[in-house]
Amino acid sequence: NAGVMQNPRHLVRRRGQEARLRCSPVKGHSHVYWYRQLPEEGLKFMVYLQKENIIDESGMPKERFSAEFPKEGPSILRIQQVVRGDSAAYFCASSPGTGANEKLFFGSGTQLSVL
Amino acid sequence: AQSVTQLDSQVPVFEEAPVELRCNYSSSVSVYLFWYVQYPNQGLQLLLKYLSGSTLVKGINGFEAEFNKSQTSFHLRKPSVHISDTAEYFCAVRFNGQGAQKLVFGQGTRLTINP
Repeated sequence: NAGVMQNPRHLVRRRGQEARLRCSPVKGHSHVYWYRQLPEEGLKFMVYLQKENIIDESGMPKERFSAEFPKEGPSILRIQQVVRGDSAAYFCASSPGTGANEKLFFGSGTQLSVL
Repeated sequence: AQSVTQLDSQVPVFEEAPVELRCNYSSSVSVYLFWYVQYPNQGLQLLLKYLSGSTLVKGINGFEAEFNKSQTSFHLRKPSVHISDTAEYFCAVRFNGQGAQKLVFGQGTRLTINP
């Protein structure tokens, strides 16, 4: 019974390249969340998706960042034309529902380093 | 404004000593409260949560936390720590009306246990 799987664990990109981060939620979970953790800071909410729908993207930067959760396959967080300030740990989480009693399961994160 | 503050960025303690990690929040609405632990190179694991009922909540690994509504605090405590408790601890709050599992995290407290 696998938990939330994120890959790659580490991703190195040069400025201007694209970064694609993948997240496979716990089997049966239809709610996916992306959080970003900058050095020495807590996690910051980025986006909440359900299958094929973006529900809340209030934490996403207005440009260069996009997310999707297709009907089949993992959720993808895409960062175009990366800059050094994008260097951070990106965590994905999933839950089976939205009730307060629903547990949120976190992946181990993708560490993005922009050179 | 809705915010979460962890007052101590680092807390060093000796093994078998008690520890308290502080968390305060600011909110005009009701809240659900969580403590997560992050071991090196891993994702976050839920330690405990307060949704309603008894203000003293017991979690895994011998941790407990007490919700104090008048002081808007949710401090984490353990009577006797072990070397294996060395980790980063995050307080998180779900503000009523925010929807789904969108959590606001504190900055984190790094707990270091010395032998």
